[in-house]
Amino acid sequence: DQQVKQNSPSLSVQEGRISILNCDYTNSMFDYFLWYKKYPAEGPTFLISISSIKDKNEDGRFTVFLNKSAKHLSLHIVPSQPGDSAVYFCAAAVLGGYQKVTFGTGTKLQVIP
Amino acid sequence: KAGVTQTPRYLIKTRGQQVTLSCSPISGHRSVSWYQQTPGQGLQFLFEYFSETQRNKGNFPGRFSGRQFSNSRSEMNVSTLELGDSALYLCASSSKQGSGTEAFFGQGTRLTVV
Repeated sequence: DQQVKQNSPSLSVQEGRISILNCDYTNSMFDYFLWYKKYPAEGPTFLISISSIKDKNEDGRFTVFLNKSAKHLSLHIVPSQPGDSAVYFCAAAVLGGYQKVTFGTGTKLQVIP
Repeated sequence: KAGVTQTPRYLIKTRGQQVTLSCSPISGHRSVSWYQQTPGQGLQFLFEYFSETQRNKGNFPGRFSGRQFSNSRSEMNVSTLELGDSALYLCASSSKQGSGTEAFFGQGTRLTVV
């Protein structure tokens, strides 16, 4: 049962354009969401997070949007840079609880120079 | 501040053998979680340890076990290895138990079962 889904396994974007990575979740108990970026041969690194009391969180070129009614979140990268090429994992959790963090299957982003 | 260290980086084992992977968390971090990454499956949660106690467990068979020591270092053991256990095993540490804070991942141990 995949509670966190990233339906696009890959995405190609031109340098300078916007990258939009999508994530859907099924567990309505989730109230904290994170995005991680993973380069080959490295562990995932934390990128940005958002709690359910917000619908948007921004950090530089990265913005995460949360639509609780649709159980959907997205990561926007503007402008996209070749160094952004990586696998992006969406993750969800119940804030403050003992619940494990549940990860999606990942989306491989390729930014074309 | 040193990051999360996982050893070994690469490992080749044969079916039926057992393997032990090691993880040293960031200094001061008491929570250590283990994940299995396989193509198309994302990061599958194995278990989480906090203060030497297993706090959470994923849906993996009993062949997968772990432990945490008083210095927060953790080991993961897989017995009776199967071909399907070939994967990247990632360890993550965080300062708090459970959710609510981002985790810091090690580079992983690439296990190949032949």
